[in-house]
Amino acid sequence: DVKVTQSSRYLVKRTGEKVFLECVQDMDHENMFWYRQDPGLGLRLIYFSYDVKMKEKGDIPEGYSVSREKKERFSLILESASTNQTSMYLCASSLDSRGFYEQYFGPGTRLTVT
Amino acid sequence: AQKITQTQPGMFVQEKEAVTLDCTYDTSDQSYGLFWYKQPSSGEMIFLIYQGSYDEQNATEGRYSLNFQKARKSANLVISASQLGDSAMYFCAMREGTRGGKLIFGQGTELSVKP
Repeated sequence: DVKVTQSSRYLVKRTGEKVFLECVQDMDHENMFWYRQDPGLGLRLIYFSYDVKMKEKGDIPEGYSVSREKKERFSLILESASTNQTSMYLCASSLDSRGFYEQYFGPGTRLTVT
Repeated sequence: AQKITQTQPGMFVQEKEAVTLDCTYDTSDQSYGLFWYKQPSSGEMIFLIYQGSYDEQNATEGRYSLNFQKARKSANLVISASQLGDSAMYFCAMREGTRGGKLIFGQGTELSVKP
């Protein structure tokens, strides 16, 4: 069964803290993605990765960085959390870039920055 | 620039009736794919249906069908015989052929099914 897991469902952090959100997929997928979801805005792509150690900026990368040291794991890093990064964060993976494969999503992490 | 628009923030439908959720898109690519996802209150995103730009037939998956009108750049989701469990947020998304797999999402439509 396809599975994407995220390290936390809920997270509360203070302004200025460094925050790590972890995502793991067990499907041997090449592509992995990080989105944030805000009411009325849908899902917006932060970063994605199409291979180990490869990454590309999405539509809203400012204030975030990512790391992909192993194929199954994709981490999102908030270097210095701010209140405007309070949001739902969704990780996804897909098979590869050559076909129109659907993305499989994790359960999401609801992050609150106070 | 590619864009997905869902103009219905919220909709109501009576149980057992059919409902259409609207989606329009904008792209200059000839090769692209259109997806619909469902997000229940629990938060997980569930893939429902896919339509390729070169597919001549409308996609169907059980009670879900995609009304694809290429000239109008619309990809509406039709849910037949609505059930209470269909109450959720629904997102339309597009992937262009040359963009490395990333999806562009619409704003979403919240569907409520009334008993």
